[in-house]
Amino acid sequence: AQSVTQLGSHVSVSEGALVLLRCNYSSSVPPYLFWYVQYPNQGLQLLLKYTSAATLVKGINGFEAEFKKSETSFHLTKPSAHMSDAAEYFCAVSDSSYQKVTFGTGTKLQVIP
Amino acid sequence: KAGVTQTPRYLIKTRGQQVTLSCSPISGHRSVSWYQQTPGQGLQFLFEYFSETQRNKGNFPGRFSGRQFSNSRSEMNVSTLELGDSALYLCASSLVPAHNEQFFGPGTRLTVL
Repeated sequence: AQSVTQLGSHVSVSEGALVLLRCNYSSSVPPYLFWYVQYPNQGLQLLLKYTSAATLVKGINGFEAEFKKSETSFHLTKPSAHMSDAAEYFCAVSDSSYQKVTFGTGTKLQVIP
Repeated sequence: KAGVTQTPRYLIKTRGQQVTLSCSPISGHRSVSWYQQTPGQGLQFLFEYFSETQRNKGNFPGRFSGRQFSNSRSEMNVSTLELGDSALYLCASSLVPAHNEQFFGPGTRLTVL
């Protein structure tokens, strides 16, 4: 079975500081990995996805994530936090054998001015 | 291209009633998935439809059901509503199932009194 673990349900950073949101996955076959963002009272929006091409994936709004197979991780980073980054972030995993997407429990990012 | 639309956006029902939620996917998308989102449980997968057939189902009781029409529009139904069914119900569409990126609608906020 596939699963996703997001470490830290709440993360606070100062405006301009590095954002690091952690995601570890479990999958018996090569995974597809995604990061989504959800703003209040809205649906989820895709930030970036990994589909076995480059291990460093660049997404929208300055976010990027690195796939590390040895660590089974797919952490999301952004060099400098902006107030508009305050939202909830979800990591998700899928693979061709299960053909089902599994989401993590989410991490709420607070940006302090 | 229009995004995923969900109707209604807000709904208030009482225990024991039933409810039907609607989702119109992005034009050309044939896969529709439904998720229940609550503060305590996060995003939980309900079911996925592709070409009018249910491909996957999550661990929800039989009170939760769905269907997909030939134009890819989907509906989900919850019968005999319980207080615990209060949640944000999200619909997501994709070109093909699972590992392809999903596009989410804004959700339907269901409140059961």
